[in-house]
Amino acid sequence: AQSVTQPDIHITVSEGASLELRCNYSYGATPYLFWYVQSPGQGLQLLLKYFSGDTLVQGIKGFEAEFKRSQSSFNLRKPSVHWSDAAEYFCAVGAQDTGGGADGLTFGKGTHLIIQP
Amino acid sequence: DADVTQTPRNRITKTGKRIMLECSQTKGHDRMYWYRQDPGLGLQLIYYSFDVKDINKGEISDGYSVSRQAQAKFSLSLESAIPNQTALYFCATSDWRGTQYFGPGTRLTVL
Repeated sequence: AQSVTQPDIHITVSEGASLELRCNYSYGATPYLFWYVQSPGQGLQLLLKYFSGDTLVQGIKGFEAEFKRSQSSFNLRKPSVHWSDAAEYFCAVGAQDTGGGADGLTFGKGTHLIIQP
Repeated sequence: DADVTQTPRNRITKTGKRIMLECSQTKGHDRMYWYRQDPGLGLQLIYYSFDVKDINKGEISDGYSVSRQAQAKFSLSLESAIPNQTALYFCATSDWRGTQYFGPGTRLTVL
């Protein structure tokens, strides 16, 4: 079974500074990887996803993530954060051997991002 | 219009009551899911369905049941609600690669 670890429960970043949110996964083969964002009172919105190919993936809102197989990581980055980026961020993994996460994604517990003015 | 809708958005009920949460989607996906979100725990899978006749338990199915009335509709029921079922509930659909699309959530409070 797969698992996801997001080591940072809370992260505080100044507006305009760069951001990196960490995600480590455990899975026996190449996984499908996702980052979702949840704003207060909202559902989860897909930021980006990795299936195969180029290990650096671009997403919406200026986010990118890099898949590093050797480190079992899929960290999310943004060069300059905006106050509107304050939210909860979830990393998730799906198993390719079940038809691309057909039996559901496994989510990390989330990282709460706080933006300081 | 939203691709995945959930009703109600908020619900307060009492211990022992039966309640149903409904989910509809217009994405045309066969796969549908119910998740529960508790603070600090992320999302946990309750049930999932590949089609009307194929329903599967997730990691926390005890105390819940589901019904897949049509490709577009997937309902979650709590037969006898208890306070520790107070949570935020999400419905989601999935494409063939597993990308999930979430509804806005239902906030359930069991007193």
